[in-house]
Amino acid sequence: QVQLQQSGPGLLKPSQTLSLTCAISGDSVSSNNAAWNWIRQSPSGGLEWLGRTYYRSKWYRHYAVSVKSRITINPDTSKNQFSLQLNSVTPEDTALYYCARTGSSGYPDYWGQGTLVTVSS
Amino acid sequence: SYVLTQPPSVSVAPGKTATITCGGNKNAIKSVHWYQQKTGQAPVLVVYDDADRPSGIPERFSGSKSGNTATLTISGVEAGDEADYYCQVWDSTSDYVFGPGTKVAVL
Repeated sequence: QVQLQQSGPGLLKPSQTLSLTCAISGDSVSSNNAAWNWIRQSPSGGLEWLGRTYYRSKWYRHYAVSVKSRITINPDTSKNQFSLQLNSVTPEDTALYYCARTGSSGYPDYWGQGTLVTVSS
Repeated sequence: SYVLTQPPSVSVAPGKTATITCGGNKNAIKSVHWYQQKTGQAPVLVVYDDADRPSGIPERFSGSKSGNTATLTISGVEAGDEADYYCQVWDSTSDYVFGPGTKVAVL
């Protein structure tokens, strides 16, 4: 059974960098059959995919156009986890952030518990 | 970009059938996956690839697709089915796309 455990601060000021980590158990961040995603949910409820990383002989990263200039997702093979960095946050980045796995089937099947991130001065 | 549409809410009496639609803005909607999200919890996959159920999901949850529209049907609705339901597809230009969600209220 795959489990994802998120960690990271929940309160930021505008212009700061959001940093979250997702620790994986029951699978490997280096798996050739999985991808590791960050998805956020706005206060109004909508789900927005932010990006993913995966390993297929080398590391790949794909990002949503809406955040592409500010986002970095990195794997950490030594700790079997992956991270999200989102630079220059604004109040519009206030959301519940989830990490999620997509298996070989291509849809998010396991989700972390979620981290509420609030951006406020 | 790929856009999905869902009704904002559906109300259903216990024991009856709830039907939630998901429409795509391109010709034939791609493989659709459905998630249930209860208050304060992460989304849970209830239907994948249009009509398949993950292990542990009751048979009361079923999915179908026709043309540009996918449908999630909950038969014999129970109070515990009250939740938000999201459809999701993968698109080569938009990557993972979610519908806006449908709130199912059990009367």
